[in-house]
Amino acid sequence: AQSVTQPDIHITVSEGASLELRCNYSYGATPYLFWYVQSPGQGLQLLLKYFSGDTLVQGIKGFEAEFKRSQSSFNLRKPSVHWSDAAEYFCAVGQYSSNTGKLIFGQGTTLQVKP
Amino acid sequence: GAGVSQSPSNKVTEKGKDVELRCDPISGHTALYWYRQSLGQGLEFLIYFQGNSAPDKSGLPSDRFSAERTGGSVSTLTIQRTQQEDSAVYLCASSPDRHEQFFGPGTRLTVL
Repeated sequence: AQSVTQPDIHITVSEGASLELRCNYSYGATPYLFWYVQSPGQGLQLLLKYFSGDTLVQGIKGFEAEFKRSQSSFNLRKPSVHWSDAAEYFCAVGQYSSNTGKLIFGQGTTLQVKP
Repeated sequence: GAGVSQSPSNKVTEKGKDVELRCDPISGHTALYWYRQSLGQGLEFLIYFQGNSAPDKSGLPSDRFSAERTGGSVSTLTIQRTQQEDSAVYLCASSPDRHEQFFGPGTRLTVL
């Protein structure tokens, strides 16, 4: 069965420092991969997606992610974190067939930013 | 443009009561999804609509849960005889093509 693992439940970084959030997936075919961000009391906002092509994808708010098929990973990165980036981040893989189109989510990583 | 909207934003109910949660998707989006977010289970898929049909209901946790979609637009998730374990945030998402999903702000359900 398809699954997504986010090994880090909680990460703390200093403002201005670089960030990498890890995501590993299990999927038989070429995956559709997503990163979403959720601020407290809010819904999920799409940061970026990978469907095919260039394995380094750029997203909103200065985020990027790299798809590495050999490692089954899709790690999220940002070169310099801002205090407003504090939130919960979810990696997801799309499961598509003729009768479904659902997302399978990881457990999420909570990012805390120190001033 | 307008995003996905959900109502109510918060719902407190007593155990055993029925509740209805509403989702208004982005206009023109044919695909609609319901997910549940709870502390113990994370984000779980509940049901997928394509138009007014629900080809994938595999995530509904029990027969107390049902959903419908009318006019290819608004969807209602109904939970009958609510239990305390139903307490969660219920998220709705819509998509123009099944791939990129746009989420609403969610309905926080508390069952006392």
